[in-house]
Amino acid sequence: AQKVTQAQTEISVVEKEDVTLDCVYETRDTTYYLFWYKQPPSGELVFLIRRNSFDEQNEISGRYSWNFQKSTSSFNFTITASQVVDSAVYFCALSDFGAGNMLTFGGGTRLMVKP
Amino acid sequence: EAGVAQSPRYKIIEKRQSVAFWCNPISGHATLYWYQQILGQGPKLLIQFQNNGVVDDSQLPKDRFSAERLKGVDSTLKIQPAKLEDSAVYLCASSLDLAGNEQYFGPGTRLTVT
Repeated sequence: AQKVTQAQTEISVVEKEDVTLDCVYETRDTTYYLFWYKQPPSGELVFLIRRNSFDEQNEISGRYSWNFQKSTSSFNFTITASQVVDSAVYFCALSDFGAGNMLTFGGGTRLMVKP
Repeated sequence: EAGVAQSPRYKIIEKRQSVAFWCNPISGHATLYWYQQILGQGPKLLIQFQNNGVVDDSQLPKDRFSAERLKGVDSTLKIQPAKLEDSAVYLCASSLDLAGNEQYFGPGTRLTVT
């Protein structure tokens, strides 16, 4: 069975601070995909990134970076120099190759960036 | 490119009434998903379609929930009769296919059952 754990339910930072959101996953499959989604106050889930299990290269996109470590089953997300507009709930999700692209979401981390 | 469309955005009903939600996926996306998101939790998959066939409905409470995607494009999710615990946001998503592609979500329908 798949499981995604986001241990941090809520994080509060001051603007311009760096912040890391943790994600730990469990799966029996060797082929799987990991995702991060952002859910701003408007409610719509916004896709941020997808990684497959064979690609452990870290990725950077502007102020966002992702660290994928299969050895610890973690896929952490770092926002550098946070901004108020980054305030949202962030979800980590997992889909097994054999599960027909069905996503299992973590419980989410609410990030509050204060000016 | 237009995103996933959903309607209505909000619905308030009394328990034991019925309600229906509509979703129009991104053009060309073969796979469509319905999720239930209870306040403070992550979305939970209810049902998944590939074209007009059901891929997975193992978490759909079939005694009261039903869904269809008759022509392989639009989809409707129905609840009959509604219970208080059905209060949630119902999210529709679509993806190109089943091969691990990212899912794109609509704005959701917020259902309140009183």
